[in-house]
Amino acid sequence: EVQLVETGGGLIQPGGSLRLSCAASGFTVSSNYMSWVRQAPGKGLEWVSVIYSGGSTYYADSVKGRFTISRDNSKNTLYLQMNSLRAEDTAVYYCARDTIFSRPPGYVYYMDVWGKGTTVTVSS
Amino acid sequence: AIRITQSPSSLSASTGDRVTITCRASQGISSYLAWYQQKPGKAPKLLIYAASTLQSGVPSRFSGSGSGTDFTLTISCLQSEDFATYYCQQYYSYPRLTFGGGTKVEIK
Repeated sequence: EVQLVETGGGLIQPGGSLRLSCAASGFTVSSNYMSWVRQAPGKGLEWVSVIYSGGSTYYADSVKGRFTISRDNSKNTLYLQMNSLRAEDTAVYYCARDTIFSRPPGYVYYMDVWGKGTTVTVSS
Repeated sequence: AIRITQSPSSLSASTGDRVTITCRASQGISSYLAWYQQKPGKAPKLLIYAASTLQSGVPSRFSGSGSGTDFTLTISCLQSEDFATYYCQQYYSYPRLTFGGGTKVEIK
C-alpha cells in the first residue's frame, strides 16, 4: 500500500528547532519529487518546500533560510528541519508525493499521495 | 507570485444541488490547475488535475473546466459525503505552488 506517515511534531518555543519525518511505504522517495505543505489552524493550504528526485530543493519565501528539506534514501524517509521557529509556523504539516509528467505542449502536476499530517505548535 | 482568488469562501447547499466553485488566477496559467477536497481533520485528496482531468476513482459528478485565468469546479448532484472544503492549486509557476483560499461546502 502506498502510504506516507509524518512524525516529529510537537510544542516548541519560539526560536527553537524541530525535525519532521515522513516515512514512505509502497514507493521510493528518492525516485519522486516530494513536498511539504502546511495548514495553520483554521486556515488554507500553504506550500512549504519540495525536493526533486535529482536532489534540487526549493522553499517558500516564508521559510527560506530557516527550513531545510532532505531525505534518507536508506530509510525511504523525507525530512523537514525547521530552525528559528516563529509563532506563525504553527500548523499541521503534511508531506506529499508530487507527480509530474510531460503532456505536450506542457506538463501535468498534482499531489496524489498525502500523509495524515503532524502538528507543530510554536508557543512560549 | 501568482495569486489565486477562490470564491465563494463558503456556501450552503442541499443534497442533490448543483454546486459551482470558482478560482481566478492573477495571471494566465493555461490549464495548470488542480482541485483538492479536504474533510475536517484529514489530508487533502486530489480530485482533478490539468483543470479538467478527473483523478482515478473520483465520482463523475465532479467536473472541472477553464483555462487561462478563470476556472470552475462543479459538483453536479451534491451527495452527503461531498460536504467538505475545496481548494484549487496552480502549478504554472512550479515549484512555487499556490493554493486558493478554500471553499467550505456546508449543509443547508
